[in-house]
Amino acid sequence: SYVLTQPPSVSVAPGQTARITCGGNNIGSKSVHWYQQKPGQAPVLVVYDDSDRPSGIPERFSGSNSGNTATLTISRVEAGDEADYYCQVWDSSSDHPMFGGGTKLTVL
Amino acid sequence: QVQLQESGPGLVKPSQTLSLTCTVSGGSISSGGYYWSWIRQHPGKGLEWIGYIYYSGSTYYNPSLKSRVTISVDTSKNQFSLKLSSVTAADTAVYYCAREGDSSGAFDIWGQGTMVTVSS
Repeated sequence: SYVLTQPPSVSVAPGQTARITCGGNNIGSKSVHWYQQKPGQAPVLVVYDDSDRPSGIPERFSGSNSGNTATLTISRVEAGDEADYYCQVWDSSSDHPMFGGGTKLTVL
Repeated sequence: QVQLQESGPGLVKPSQTLSLTCTVSGGSISSGGYYWSWIRQHPGKGLEWIGYIYYSGSTYYNPSLKSRVTISVDTSKNQFSLKLSSVTAADTAVYYCAREGDSSGAFDIWGQGTMVTVSS
Protein backbone atom coordinates (compact mmCIF):
# COMPACT_ATOMS: atom_id res chain seq x y z
CA SER A 1 0.00 0.00 0.00
CA TYR A 2 0.94 3.63 -0.38
CA VAL A 3 3.22 5.06 2.31
CA LEU A 4 3.21 8.67 3.47
CA THR A 5 6.27 9.84 5.37
CA GLN A 6 6.22 12.82 7.73
CA PRO A 7 8.97 14.06 10.05
CA PRO A 8 8.08 13.23 13.66
CA SER A 9 8.67 16.76 14.83
CA VAL A 10 9.19 20.31 13.66
CA SER A 11 10.11 23.25 15.89
CA VAL A 12 9.74 26.92 15.08
CA ALA A 13 9.86 30.21 16.94
CA PRO A 14 6.77 32.42 17.13
CA GLY A 15 6.40 34.65 14.11
CA GLN A 16 8.51 32.42 11.92
CA THR A 17 7.41 30.05 9.15
CA ALA A 18 6.87 26.34 9.72
CA ARG A 19 7.06 23.85 6.89
CA ILE A 20 5.80 20.32 7.40
CA THR A 21 6.49 17.83 4.65
CA CYS A 22 4.67 14.71 3.52
CA GLY A 23 6.60 12.38 1.28
CA GLY A 24 5.17 9.75 -1.03
CA ASN A 25 5.89 8.16 -4.37
CA ASN A 26 4.69 10.62 -7.01
CA ILE A 27 2.47 12.29 -4.44
CA GLY A 28 2.25 15.25 -6.80
CA SER A 29 -0.26 13.24 -8.82
CA LYS A 30 -2.60 12.92 -5.85
CA SER A 31 -4.76 15.35 -3.89
CA VAL A 32 -3.32 15.92 -0.44
CA HIS A 33 -5.28 17.00 2.60
CA TRP A 34 -3.91 18.29 5.90
CA TYR A 35 -5.34 18.08 9.41
CA GLN A 36 -4.47 19.82 12.66
CA GLN A 37 -5.05 17.93 15.90
CA LYS A 38 -4.61 19.54 19.28
CA PRO A 39 -4.34 17.39 22.42
CA GLY A 40 -7.61 15.78 23.40
CA GLN A 41 -9.42 17.12 20.35
CA ALA A 42 -10.58 15.73 17.03
CA PRO A 43 -8.60 16.54 13.89
CA VAL A 44 -9.56 19.66 11.96
CA LEU A 45 -9.16 19.99 8.19
CA VAL A 46 -6.85 22.94 7.48
CA VAL A 47 -5.94 22.38 3.82
CA TYR A 48 -7.63 20.22 1.17
CA ASP A 49 -6.87 19.40 -2.44
CA ASP A 50 -3.22 20.38 -1.99
CA SER A 51 -3.74 24.08 -1.37
CA ASP A 52 -7.37 25.04 -0.67
CA ARG A 53 -8.49 26.24 2.72
CA PRO A 54 -11.84 25.47 4.33
CA SER A 55 -13.78 28.48 5.50
CA GLY A 56 -12.57 29.73 8.84
CA ILE A 57 -8.98 28.57 8.38
CA PRO A 58 -6.52 31.49 8.48
CA GLU A 59 -4.63 32.45 5.34
CA ARG A 60 -1.45 31.70 7.28
CA PHE A 61 -2.06 28.04 6.41
CA SER A 62 -1.12 27.09 2.87
CA GLY A 63 -0.16 23.97 0.99
CA SER A 64 1.77 22.86 -2.04
CA ASN A 65 2.36 19.54 -3.76
CA SER A 66 4.85 18.51 -6.41
CA GLY A 67 6.92 15.50 -7.30
CA ASN A 68 7.38 13.29 -4.26
CA THR A 69 6.68 15.90 -1.58
CA ALA A 70 3.67 17.81 -0.33
CA THR A 71 4.21 20.67 2.09
CA LEU A 72 2.03 22.40 4.63
CA THR A 73 3.31 25.91 5.33
CA ILE A 74 2.26 27.89 8.37
CA SER A 75 3.29 31.53 8.22
CA ARG A 76 3.67 33.81 11.22
CA VAL A 77 3.40 30.88 13.58
CA GLU A 78 1.50 31.45 16.83
CA ALA A 79 1.54 29.53 20.08
CA GLY A 80 -1.95 28.27 19.26
CA ASP A 81 -0.62 26.48 16.19
CA GLU A 82 1.18 23.95 18.37
CA ALA A 83 -0.41 20.63 17.46
CA ASP A 84 0.01 17.40 15.56
CA TYR A 85 -0.42 17.68 11.80
CA TYR A 86 -1.40 14.81 9.50
CA CYS A 87 -1.37 14.55 5.75
CA GLN A 88 -3.85 12.31 3.92
CA VAL A 89 -4.39 11.05 0.39
CA TRP A 90 -6.62 8.56 -1.35
CA ASP A 91 -4.54 5.49 -2.17
CA SER A 92 -5.79 4.27 -5.52
CA SER A 93 -3.82 1.03 -5.28
CA SER A 94 -5.60 -0.12 -2.13
CA ASP A 95 -8.65 2.05 -2.80
CA HIS A 96 -8.88 3.70 0.59
CA PRO A 97 -7.68 6.81 2.44
CA MET A 98 -4.19 6.82 3.88
CA PHE A 99 -2.77 9.05 6.59
CA GLY A 100 0.79 10.05 7.25
CA GLY A 101 2.28 9.26 10.63
CA GLY A 102 1.87 12.82 11.86
CA THR A 103 4.22 15.66 12.75
CA LYS A 104 4.31 17.36 16.11
CA LEU A 105 4.75 21.09 15.69
CA THR A 106 6.39 22.74 18.67
CA VAL A 107 6.35 26.51 19.01
CA LEU A 108 9.46 27.48 20.90
CA GLN B 1 -23.93 23.50 10.42
CA VAL B 2 -23.47 19.74 10.27
CA GLN B 3 -22.28 18.12 13.48
CA LEU B 4 -21.40 14.52 14.29
CA GLN B 5 -21.63 12.83 17.68
CA GLU B 6 -20.39 9.37 18.57
CA SER B 7 -22.07 7.26 21.23
CA GLY B 8 -21.60 3.80 22.65
CA PRO B 9 -19.94 1.82 25.45
CA GLY B 10 -16.55 2.97 26.61
CA LEU B 11 -15.56 -0.49 27.79
CA VAL B 12 -15.80 -3.72 25.84
CA LYS B 13 -14.63 -7.18 26.89
CA PRO B 14 -12.15 -9.11 24.78
CA SER B 15 -13.73 -11.31 22.08
CA GLN B 16 -16.94 -9.27 22.18
CA THR B 17 -18.29 -6.85 19.59
CA LEU B 18 -17.64 -3.14 19.77
CA SER B 19 -20.70 -1.13 18.73
CA LEU B 20 -20.76 2.62 18.14
CA THR B 21 -23.27 4.99 16.61
CA CYS B 22 -22.72 8.37 14.99
CA THR B 23 -25.63 10.79 15.00
CA VAL B 24 -25.64 13.45 12.31
CA SER B 25 -27.32 16.78 13.06
CA GLY B 26 -27.73 19.91 10.98
CA GLY B 27 -27.87 17.99 7.72
CA SER B 28 -29.22 14.81 6.19
CA ILE B 29 -27.21 11.68 5.44
CA SER B 30 -29.70 11.02 2.63
CA SER B 31 -28.79 14.21 0.77
CA GLY B 32 -25.85 12.44 -0.84
CA GLY B 33 -22.49 13.82 -1.85
CA TYR B 34 -20.65 12.45 1.13
CA TYR B 35 -19.21 9.28 2.51
CA TRP B 36 -19.69 8.66 6.22
CA SER B 37 -16.58 7.19 7.78
CA TRP B 38 -15.18 5.69 10.93
CA ILE B 39 -11.58 6.44 11.84
CA ARG B 40 -9.67 5.39 14.95
CA GLN B 41 -6.58 6.54 16.76
CA HIS B 42 -4.65 4.27 19.08
CA PRO B 43 -3.33 6.03 22.20
CA GLY B 44 -0.47 8.29 21.25
CA LYS B 45 -0.53 7.09 17.66
CA GLY B 46 -1.71 8.21 14.25
CA LEU B 47 -5.02 7.94 12.42
CA GLU B 48 -6.37 4.73 10.90
CA TRP B 49 -9.33 4.70 8.53
CA ILE B 50 -11.76 1.87 9.30
CA GLY B 51 -14.36 2.21 6.58
CA TYR B 52 -17.20 4.25 5.14
CA ILE B 53 -20.80 4.01 4.06
CA TYR B 54 -22.80 5.96 1.52
CA TYR B 55 -26.41 6.86 2.19
CA SER B 56 -27.44 4.18 -0.30
CA GLY B 57 -25.84 1.57 1.92
CA SER B 58 -22.72 0.97 -0.16
CA THR B 59 -19.75 0.26 2.06
CA TYR B 60 -16.00 0.02 1.80
CA TYR B 61 -13.68 -1.21 4.51
CA ASN B 62 -9.99 -1.07 5.31
CA PRO B 63 -8.69 -4.42 4.07
CA SER B 64 -6.78 -4.91 7.32
CA LEU B 65 -10.04 -4.85 9.31
CA LYS B 66 -12.53 -5.99 6.71
CA SER B 67 -13.18 -9.42 8.20
CA ARG B 68 -14.33 -7.90 11.51
CA VAL B 69 -16.05 -4.66 10.46
CA THR B 70 -19.64 -3.86 9.61
CA ILE B 71 -20.87 -0.31 8.97
CA SER B 72 -24.56 0.34 8.55
CA VAL B 73 -26.81 3.36 8.07
CA ASP B 74 -30.23 4.29 9.40
CA THR B 75 -31.41 7.22 7.32
CA SER B 76 -34.65 7.52 9.31
CA LYS B 77 -32.62 8.32 12.41
CA ASN B 78 -29.85 10.13 10.50
CA GLN B 79 -27.31 7.79 12.04
CA PHE B 80 -24.63 5.41 10.93
CA SER B 81 -23.05 2.69 13.02
CA LEU B 82 -19.89 0.67 13.45
CA LYS B 83 -19.59 -2.90 14.63
CA LEU B 84 -16.16 -4.42 15.19
CA SER B 85 -16.19 -8.06 16.19
CA SER B 86 -13.78 -10.24 18.14
CA VAL B 87 -12.05 -7.27 19.73
CA THR B 88 -8.72 -7.47 21.53
CA ALA B 89 -6.66 -4.98 23.49
CA ALA B 90 -5.23 -3.85 20.16
CA ASP B 91 -8.62 -2.34 19.35
CA THR B 92 -8.38 0.06 22.28
CA ALA B 93 -8.50 3.49 20.69
CA VAL B 94 -10.39 6.72 20.24
CA TYR B 95 -13.01 6.17 17.57
CA TYR B 96 -14.11 9.07 15.40
CA CYS B 97 -16.90 9.37 12.91
CA ALA B 98 -16.26 11.77 10.06
CA ARG B 99 -17.77 13.08 6.84
CA GLU B 100 -15.80 12.76 3.62
CA GLY B 101 -16.64 14.68 0.49
CA ASP B 102 -17.10 12.31 -2.44
CA SER B 103 -15.37 14.76 -4.79
CA SER B 104 -12.43 15.94 -2.68
CA GLY B 105 -11.82 12.92 -0.49
CA ALA B 106 -11.11 15.16 2.50
CA PHE B 107 -12.65 14.59 5.91
CA ASP B 108 -14.21 17.98 6.50
CA ILE B 109 -16.29 17.31 9.60
CA TRP B 110 -15.39 15.09 12.56
CA GLY B 111 -17.14 13.99 15.69
CA GLN B 112 -15.44 14.70 19.00
CA GLY B 113 -14.36 11.07 19.31
CA THR B 114 -15.10 8.43 21.89
CA MET B 115 -12.55 6.36 23.78
CA VAL B 116 -13.14 2.64 23.73
CA THR B 117 -11.12 0.38 25.99
CA VAL B 118 -11.01 -3.36 25.48
CA SER B 119 -10.45 -5.03 28.82
CA SER B 120 -11.90 -7.77 30.97
